[in-house]
Amino acid sequence: AQKITQTQPGMFVQEKEAVTLDCTYDTSDPSYGLFWYKQPSSGEMIFLIYQGSYDQQNATEGRYSLNFQKARKSANLVISASQLGDSAMYFCAMSLVASGSRLTFGEGTQLTVNP
Amino acid sequence: DTAVSQTPKYLVTQMGNDKSIKCEQNLGHDTMYWYKQDSKKFLKIMFSYNNKELIINETVPNRFSPKSPDKAHLNLHINSLELGDSAVYFCASSQDLTFGEAFFGQGTRLTVV
Repeated sequence: AQKITQTQPGMFVQEKEAVTLDCTYDTSDPSYGLFWYKQPSSGEMIFLIYQGSYDQQNATEGRYSLNFQKARKSANLVISASQLGDSAMYFCAMSLVASGSRLTFGEGTQLTVNP
Repeated sequence: DTAVSQTPKYLVTQMGNDKSIKCEQNLGHDTMYWYKQDSKKFLKIMFSYNNKELIINETVPNRFSPKSPDKAHLNLHINSLELGDSAVYFCASSQDLTFGEAFFGQGTRLTVV
C-alpha cells in the first residue's frame, strides 16, 4: 500500500519570498515516482515536477524544486520567488509500477500568496 | 492543441438519469485514467486502461462503466445517478504503465440534483 501525507492544509507566503510545501510518503516498494501538481481556482491539474526514487539529484523546474530526502521519505516542494499566480491548491502524489502507475494523492495544501 | 480533452466541462442532471463523459488524448499515450475529486478536493483513482485493456477498477460501484474504444479514448458512463456522485471527474493519460507524468483533462464538474 502507498500513502501520501500533506500536513499543511493552508499556507501563506509574501510575494517574492520562497515557500516550502511539505509532503511525506509511505511505501515499501523501492521503485516509485513522486509528483507535484498545481490546481488553480479554475480547476485544471497542472504538472509541476517529478522525482524518481533512484534519482541522485533533486529535481528542479524553473522556480520549482523538489527537496527529496529518501531516508525520511519526504518530497517537499520549494517554490522560489513566489508570485500572485502561484496561489492555488498543490497536490503531492506518488506512483508505483506495481500499482499500475496510478497516482495516489495527498490531501493538498492551499497556498495563498499575499502582495 | 489540447493534449487531453474531456467533454462536457459541466454536467447538471437529475437523480436516476444516465450520463456519459467523453475523454480523448492526442499524445499517443498508451494509458488512460479516470480520477474523481470529491467536495473536499481529494483525488482518487477510479479506473485505468492500458491499450484498451482495463488495468485498475478501484472498488467503484458498477453503475460506473468505462469504455475504451481505442487507446486514444476513454469514456465514462454512469447509470442511475445518485446525489453522492456529484464531484469533479478528471480524465488523464500517461505514456505507459511505468511511472511517469500524467496529463490531465480540464475536468467535468458533475452535479446531481
